Amino acid sequence: DTAVSQTPKYLVTQMGNDKSIKCEQNLGHDTMYWYKQDSKKFLKIMFSYNNKELIINETVPNRFSPKSPDKPHLNLHINSLELGDSAVYFCASSQASGVTGDTQYFGPGTRLTVL
Amino acid sequence: GNSVTQMEGPVTLSEEAFLTINCTYTATGYPSLFWYVQYPGEGLQLLLKATKADDKGSNKGFEATYRKETTSFHLEKGSVQVSDSAVYFCALKWDDMRFGAGTRLTVKP
Repeated sequence: DTAVSQTPKYLVTQMGNDKSIKCEQNLGHDTMYWYKQDSKKFLKIMFSYNNKELIINETVPNRFSPKSPDKPHLNLHINSLELGDSAVYFCASSQASGVTGDTQYFGPGTRLTVL
Repeated sequence: GNSVTQMEGPVTLSEEAFLTINCTYTATGYPSLFWYVQYPGEGLQLLLKATKADDKGSNKGFEATYRKETTSFHLEKGSVQVSDSAVYFCALKWDDMRFGAGTRLTVKP
């Protein structure tokens, strides 16, 4: 059973388009996250979300928005895609964001290429 | 703010060599420390963790000890294998999770 899954695995699109990446976790976790990994493997937190609170990294453009239709899902919507958005996007989940020893479980990633 | 610094790669070793990847941290509180591993084309997987000072995390022959006096959490393995080739990330969690820049390890037969 896949704990954290993402679709699609690869996404190639033109500049200016709007796209979404889906994420689902079957771990019963309360908190989900989106990360961006650039070509040098540097990981940047974009959002963390539970059913009470959305925390946004202030450096993330407002073209990016997370949407959670229900607890196991946190989808990432991106409007007006730009070349610099090309990266690998990872979804993750954890039991409780406020616990310091809490482990995050990652999805396999979605490689986004903007042409 | 909280941050993690890990040794720059890439690191290339021969099979059965000893591995050390250095990691130091800066934190305002008492964070938990993690090592994650990313195999080619995959997401990050937890390798080991330690939640308080002097704790040792271990898994798959890898070890790291939480050293508060030196603010370090160095990753070690006594004998690496080709299958250990991956990118290794040190991370800390206090109010949020912070990752180091990652260290690419290549093990040659």
